Amino acid sequence: GENVEQHPSTLSVQEGDSAVIKCTYSDSASNYFPWYKQELGKRPQLIIDIRSNVGEKKDQRIAVTLNKTAKHFSLHITETQPEDSAVYFCVLGGGGSNYKLTFGKGTLLTVNP
Amino acid sequence: ETGVTQTPRHLVMGMTNKKSLKCEQHLGHNAMYWYKQSAKKPLELMFVYSLEERVENNSVPSRFSPECPNSSHLFLHLHTLQPEDSALYLCASSQDTGTDTGELFFGEGSRLTVL
Repeated sequence: GENVEQHPSTLSVQEGDSAVIKCTYSDSASNYFPWYKQELGKRPQLIIDIRSNVGEKKDQRIAVTLNKTAKHFSLHITETQPEDSAVYFCVLGGGGSNYKLTFGKGTLLTVNP
Repeated sequence: ETGVTQTPRHLVMGMTNKKSLKCEQHLGHNAMYWYKQSAKKPLELMFVYSLEERVENNSVPSRFSPECPNSSHLFLHLHTLQPEDSALYLCASSQDTGTDTGELFFGEGSRLTVL
């Protein structure tokens, strides 16, 4: 299957700081890039997604940027709060099917009050 | 109940036991999935059902046997498992299998421990 590299694996920030998580991929046919958040002991939930015809998408404190030329996409969280603490997964989509999704290994974000 | 519910939430079984995991979705979706989540590994897709027909089986050992009696229910039957099968098993659903229809809705998972 396709490969997606996610970095960092762990990230610790102070409340109010920004957090950035980056994912790189190799398949230029990839065209769908969602991000899922999984709080401890909870289910993964979609927080934002972007498609290949868009370079940036923002929803309140979270934003995703996509650089198709360089084959990377990033999640940006501004003004972090303790409730942002969770594991974040980037996902690579292509081929128009949900069973072609490839998940990254995840980033454990800890926001310290 | 709303969303995707999984039972049991926790299961401990011996290698010779037979058990089943159950998933139910109340969202009117047509597609359902089983994922395996192990520590420090990406989510692994195991099975996909669309309108009760299996459309994907990602080289999963035969000791895992899925069943989808209708579009709202999905089972994972477990038999003669190995300790390395210990993991969190997540069920998910989506409107259809195409990514144009958007997100996966996950259940909270069944934590399986094989002794």
